[in-house]
Parts: sequence; C-alpha cells; structure tokens
Amino acid sequence: DGGITQSPKYLFRKEGQNVTLSCEQNLNHDAMYWYRQDPGQGLRLIYYSQIVNDFQKGDIAEGYSVSREKKESFPLTVTSAQKNPTAFYLCASSTQGDRAGNTIYFGEGSWLTVV
Amino acid sequence: QKEVEQDPGPLSVPEGAIVSLNCTYSNSAFQYFMWYRQYSRKGPELLMYTYSSGNKEDGRFTAQVDKSSKYISLFIRDSQPSDSATYLCAMSRTGANNLFFGTGTRLTVIP
Repeated sequence: DGGITQSPKYLFRKEGQNVTLSCEQNLNHDAMYWYRQDPGQGLRLIYYSQIVNDFQKGDIAEGYSVSREKKESFPLTVTSAQKNPTAFYLCASSTQGDRAGNTIYFGEGSWLTVV
Repeated sequence: QKEVEQDPGPLSVPEGAIVSLNCTYSNSAFQYFMWYRQYSRKGPELLMYTYSSGNKEDGRFTAQVDKSSKYISLFIRDSQPSDSATYLCAMSRTGANNLFFGTGTRLTVIP
C-alpha cells in the first residue's frame, strides 16, 4: 500500500541528546514536510522540502535539522538545542510543493517525550 | 491575530444529530480550503477539499466556503460515534507551499 511511514511511533529522549525521527513515503511525492502538534496550538511547520537536496525552514525551525538525500526520505533530527521538544511530530508529503492547491497527506506521527 | 481561528470545543452531540464545525480566517488571499479528521494519537486524514467559494458534498459531509465573510464550515449529517475525532480546518493561498491550520475542534458523538 502507498503511504507515509514514520518511525518510531514512541520515543523517549534524555535531556541533552539528539534524536532522529524517520519518515519514508512511497507515493512518489516531490514535496515533504515536518509539522509539530501541541495541544491547543494546532500544527506548526518545522521544515519542508520541495525537491531532493533542498529544504527550507518553516515557522519553528530552531533546534531542528533535516536532510533530503532521497526523494522518498525526509528524516528530522531534534537536537539538544530544542528547548521544549516533547510533542507529537507529523511528517507529510504532497505532489506539487510549489503550487497552490496541493493536497498534503500525513503519516501516523511520532510521539517524542523528554525524560 | 491568528490567520486561522477555530473553536477548540469540545463539542458533544447525540448520535444522528447534524454537526456544524466552523473556521474563520483573516487572509483574503486564501483560496484553497481543506478539512482534516484526526483520531486520537493518529495522523490527520484529508476529509474534504474545496476551491474558492461554494459548497461541496461527499456522503454525509458538506463543506461550505464563504470568502466574502472569510468563513468556512463543515457539516456532518446523521452523525455517528465513529465521527468522534478532532476536526482541523486548513487553507492555503496561490504560490504558497504550506497550509495554515486551525487548532482543531474535538467532537464526540454519543450513542
């Protein structure tokens, strides 16, 4: 089945550690996104990528890093510089990242908790 | 002021009721409007997609867009317990590569 796969589903991180969240899609979508979801704040864009080897900061990029070495993969690293990393992280993709009206599809999400 | 405003609820209705979910927005450049449904601890799934003003119907779901009032609605007819979820509105404008989301409304349909 085509879709977006995120792993791990649940992750615990100690203070000061970097962690990487995986996102793989087999939809042949050009654009990929990372969102963060917190209660009462909706979805906020962290990073997005319209094409391989290119990515742009979103609204809350500080403390995060990404790479886009392959079309189907867009991993997110939550660094120790992120002050409040506990959240639900959503990866998404769409067919036309640079055109209006593109429809974004989401993965199942990854829960990150700092302990 | 947030670009997209959505009442977080929670909203509880009896099974079979008509549900009305709403969002307002401030940016008149928005032209593409979406509704996502998100079950607890899951990713959002696209429910409805509309362009500009007007209505769109899909089964028990109807999406309405009133650009003059900067107001969008999602109606659910004959609501079912399986409709219990958080509903997120989202919108985008020409030339943008990002969606602007509401905070979501949590709906519970009571059997």
